[in-house]
Amino acid sequence: AQKITQTQPGMFVQEKEAVTLDCTYDTSDQSYGLFWYKQPSSGEMIFLIYQGSYDEQNATEGRYSLNFQKARKSANLVISASQLGDSAMYFCAMRNRDDKIIFGKGTRLHILP
Amino acid sequence: NAGVTQTPKFRVLKTGQSMTLLCAQDMNHEYMYWYRQDPGMGLRLIHYSVGEGTTAKGEVPDGYNVSRLKKQNFLLGLESAAPSQTSVYFCATAGTYSNQPQHFGDGTRLSIL
Repeated sequence: AQKITQTQPGMFVQEKEAVTLDCTYDTSDQSYGLFWYKQPSSGEMIFLIYQGSYDEQNATEGRYSLNFQKARKSANLVISASQLGDSAMYFCAMRNRDDKIIFGKGTRLHILP
Repeated sequence: NAGVTQTPKFRVLKTGQSMTLLCAQDMNHEYMYWYRQDPGMGLRLIHYSVGEGTTAKGEVPDGYNVSRLKKQNFLLGLESAAPSQTSVYFCATAGTYSNQPQHFGDGTRLSIL
């Protein structure tokens, strides 16, 4: 069965520090895609970064990078130099070959000034 | 350029009543999804569609029905609403390519009394 697990319900991080949000996944597909989204308190879903299962390089987008370890089935999001505006819910999601897209339970990140 | 529009934005129902949530998109996307978001549970997939005239069950389909008669519209129906269906409902679309992120509507806040 397909599953996304985010084991950190909440995290507190000091401003300007780097933070890693964990995501592990389970799928029997060889081809799949992994996404991270940010949901601020206003409620909209903001796409951050994508990693394909066949991508050899870890994805990066500005301050966001993805630590992709395929053998361990993990796709952790790394935010460098955190900012107060990074306080939000963060969701890991997976798209499988049948185009079903499922999400983890999310991590609420609090950036402290 | 509306993107993904959900109607209504808010609704209060009594137990046993029925209603339909509408998701309309102008992005010409093949794939459409309905999720529910509850505190501590992340986004859970209710039903999805990979094209006009098709629907498929997600993780939590019970108590809901869907229809995709036109490519641009995806309807979510509650035939007999229950308090357990109180939630925020999100519609999302996705393009054909697996690396394309989803586009989300603003959500519908539904309360069942």
